[in-house]
Amino acid sequence: TQLLEQSPQFLSIQEGENLTVYCNSSSVFSSLQWYRQEPGEGPVLLVTVVTGGEVKKLKRLTFQFGDARKDSSLHITAAQPGDTGLYLCAGGAGTSYGKLTFGQGTILTVHP
Amino acid sequence: NAGVTQTPKFQVLKTGQSMTLQCAQDMNHEYMSWYRQDPGMGLRLIHYSVGAGITDQGEVPNGYNVSRSTTEDFPLRLLSAAPSQTSVYFCASSIGTGTGANVLTFGAGSRLTVL
Repeated sequence: TQLLEQSPQFLSIQEGENLTVYCNSSSVFSSLQWYRQEPGEGPVLLVTVVTGGEVKKLKRLTFQFGDARKDSSLHITAAQPGDTGLYLCAGGAGTSYGKLTFGQGTILTVHP
Repeated sequence: NAGVTQTPKFQVLKTGQSMTLQCAQDMNHEYMSWYRQDPGMGLRLIHYSVGAGITDQGEVPNGYNVSRSTTEDFPLRLLSAAPSQTSVYFCASSIGTGTGANVLTFGAGSRLTVL
């Protein structure tokens, strides 16, 4: 069974601060996805990374896939209250179609 | 574009009752799946299907049944509800490219409480 350890579980910061969320595993994944979930809604994809060492940027969000494809990180620069939500990492392996392994999630609260 | 539609949005059951959570997608996706979400545990895969007539178990299948008679629909059945099945249930679909990099489209969720 593949496991993804996501940390921290909770993050409460002030507007303008930077933060990093980590997603670690002892298993190799063929892809790593990050989702964001708002209360009362389903998760929505932010990004997919598939190559070891890959870095993707989405405005103030930077996503990195580890060289060995066992870990990933999400860095938010100058967080805003609109960034508040649940962030989930999810790993896909081989021909797993949509059979993803999810981390526990990080609840981010950005205070004005 | 409806995407993935789940019904009902909320449901309260008594222990031992049965019910079906409905899921329909209009994107012609091959792959559909059911996850449950509990605090501090992320999403855990219950059952999945790679096409009509084909289903398989995920990480936490006990107490749940599924069937896939059409590409569009993937209902989840609770045969005899237990308090441990109190959770938020999400249905998801994706194009089955088989690369492990498929993007899941989720429904809005069904919140189930078992008393």
